[in-house]
Amino acid sequence: GAGVSQSPSNKVTEKGKDVELRCDPISGHTALYWYRQSLGQGLEFLIYFQGNSAPDKSGLPSDRFSAERTGGSVSTLTIQRTQQEDSAVYLCASSLRTGSNYGYTFGSGTRLTVV
Amino acid sequence: DQQVKQNSPSLSVQEGRISILNCDYTNSMFDYFLWYKKYPAEGPTFLISISSIKDKNEDGRFTVFLNKSAKHLSLHIVPSQPGDSAVYFCAASKSGSQGNLIFGKGTKLSVKP
Repeated sequence: GAGVSQSPSNKVTEKGKDVELRCDPISGHTALYWYRQSLGQGLEFLIYFQGNSAPDKSGLPSDRFSAERTGGSVSTLTIQRTQQEDSAVYLCASSLRTGSNYGYTFGSGTRLTVV
Repeated sequence: DQQVKQNSPSLSVQEGRISILNCDYTNSMFDYFLWYKKYPAEGPTFLISISSIKDKNEDGRFTVFLNKSAKHLSLHIVPSQPGDSAVYFCAASKSGSQGNLIFGKGTKLSVKP
């Protein structure tokens, strides 16, 4: 597609439920990144993919968070047993290659609210 | 421990004047810096970047200055326009690294007509 597409744009879920957030990167972009922005905070790195592998998962806050990428394209971020502190905007970005010199293109994000 | 700091959460400037947004970093290994702009309900968009081999990079109304000894960079917007009103994020990384960008918390710029 022309840009990075994320779905859903908004998600309200009950505490304890699982949620899946989807990211469809720009076609041909091999690198994919997940960030989240909590209220009043900057963008917090979660995980990145080079192709289908995730060399750096260091930003995942707990083992309730996982992500996968298949076919070098779409990625899914899964949060199990959601907690209220998981409420944030989850942003996905892609770039042509890994390495910060290649600009990231961000999607519009998924606003997750855990009630 | 924040490695990239934007100490001013907000800035208000009159249209036509200069906007100066500041950013400090603590990791001396950072050698590539970027500014992103974010409108409400949209993802951040890349604005301008600078490598540590330079101390200035200019693109139209936007100029980024880097002071490596002070671990400080700034974004200048001249002249400021109402459409520049947005949140500006500073980001840093180690050039060529396989990893991710480290972002500051952002500065909300308001340009008043």
